[in-house]
Amino acid sequence: DSGVTQTPKHLITATGQRVTLRCSPRSGDLSVYWYQQSLDQGLQFLIQYYNGEERAKGNILERFSAQQFPDLHSELNLSSLELGDSALYFCASSVEGGRRTDTQYFGPGTRLTVL
Amino acid sequence: QKEVEQDPGPLSVPEGAIVSLNCTYSNSAFQYFMWYRQYSRKGPELLMYTYSSGNKEDGRFTAQVDKSSKYISLFIRDSQPSDSATYLCAMSAGTYKYIFGTGTRLKVLA
Repeated sequence: DSGVTQTPKHLITATGQRVTLRCSPRSGDLSVYWYQQSLDQGLQFLIQYYNGEERAKGNILERFSAQQFPDLHSELNLSSLELGDSALYFCASSVEGGRRTDTQYFGPGTRLTVL
Repeated sequence: QKEVEQDPGPLSVPEGAIVSLNCTYSNSAFQYFMWYRQYSRKGPELLMYTYSSGNKEDGRFTAQVDKSSKYISLFIRDSQPSDSATYLCAMSAGTYKYIFGTGTRLKVLA
């Protein structure tokens, strides 16, 4: 168990809908990362937050957004969902995020199915 | 061309075999190299973390980095059925940004 928690484990929804995925980092970690994992693309970095502020953006669609709250938990919002958004979404956390010795620890993921 | 290339497998080996998993990369700025293990329907779990070239050993696992060839390897000795998983390599140029390989599926047969 990495200490990173994610809810829900599974989510089934329809095209055009909006969902929110939640992540709680390991105790003491200030940085949260979101990744998308699909069969053909592998693990793709979406966005990073550090202590409440956005630090870096990767291949995140405009329909997706995220935030990190004062208690350091993070939410990833996915809107106007399309079939191609079906994937596993992982959250990872690290102590700082950016230091070369920082290690990312992953949560168990949320499996999103868009019908 | 992807920054990190990894053979997706699947790779099937008998129990007790030595397994070699590999990744190649194109970005010479990568300095930090990680191997993650991912069981089905679970999150990636960090196995090994190395900096720069050379070997690093941890129990049955050895990570090897050859920066001149832009090639990294993970060796698993005395493989067990419990090692059956997908192995992901990841690399970083020293920042938050990890670039992952697509993963190699390994099956160790009892």
